[in-house]
Amino acid sequence: GDSVTQMEGPVTLSEEAFLTINCTYTATGYPSLFWYVQYPGEGLQLLLKATKADDKGSNKGFEATYRKETTSFHLEKGSVQVSDSAVYFCALKANQAGTALIFGKGTTLSVSS
Amino acid sequence: DTAVSQTPKYLVTQMGNDKSIKCEQNLGHDTMYWYKQDSKKFLKIMFSYNNKELIINETVPNRFSPKSPDKAHLNLHINSLELGDSAVYFCASSQGLALNTGELFFGEGSRLTVL
Repeated sequence: GDSVTQMEGPVTLSEEAFLTINCTYTATGYPSLFWYVQYPGEGLQLLLKATKADDKGSNKGFEATYRKETTSFHLEKGSVQVSDSAVYFCALKANQAGTALIFGKGTTLSVSS
Repeated sequence: DTAVSQTPKYLVTQMGNDKSIKCEQNLGHDTMYWYKQDSKKFLKIMFSYNNKELIINETVPNRFSPKSPDKAHLNLHINSLELGDSAVYFCASSQGLALNTGELFFGEGSRLTVL
């Protein structure tokens, strides 16, 4: 079945460091890909998405490019802030009705000043 | 003005008890979900309803029974609670089944602790 694999955390960075969180997926067909973020004590919220190959999703300085050839959707940010500390989830959704969003196991990011 | 609200936020109970978690969304969405997040933050879909009709029912024990009185509400009832049920339960909603592009709106979660 479809699945998402993300790098194990936690990831610990200093403020203004470059961030990469790796995500690869396994799916039949052409799924849509997402990054969700969960701040402490809150529910998940959509950070960015890409619905087809070579699309780049971006939001709040974060970017991820849908790479079909490597089945990847790595999350990057050029300069992280303390306020970016959260758990980041990569997810996919098959392009058919009645299927649920499938999440990776989450990567905890901790940014210190 | 909370878009997806769940109650209670925290629930501590004894093994064997029955408990319910309620969820309401005011976004006008047709589809609602329950996800379970374990202690390692892993999120797994449990159920999904579209217009009060069950459309996704993952391998979840029969002790878990979702109920959707209308499309704005999806409640989760759990019978005979076990230690392994301790987790954070998230309710979510999305716009329409056919148009479901994967953008979910989540509640803040309900942390269930079974002693």
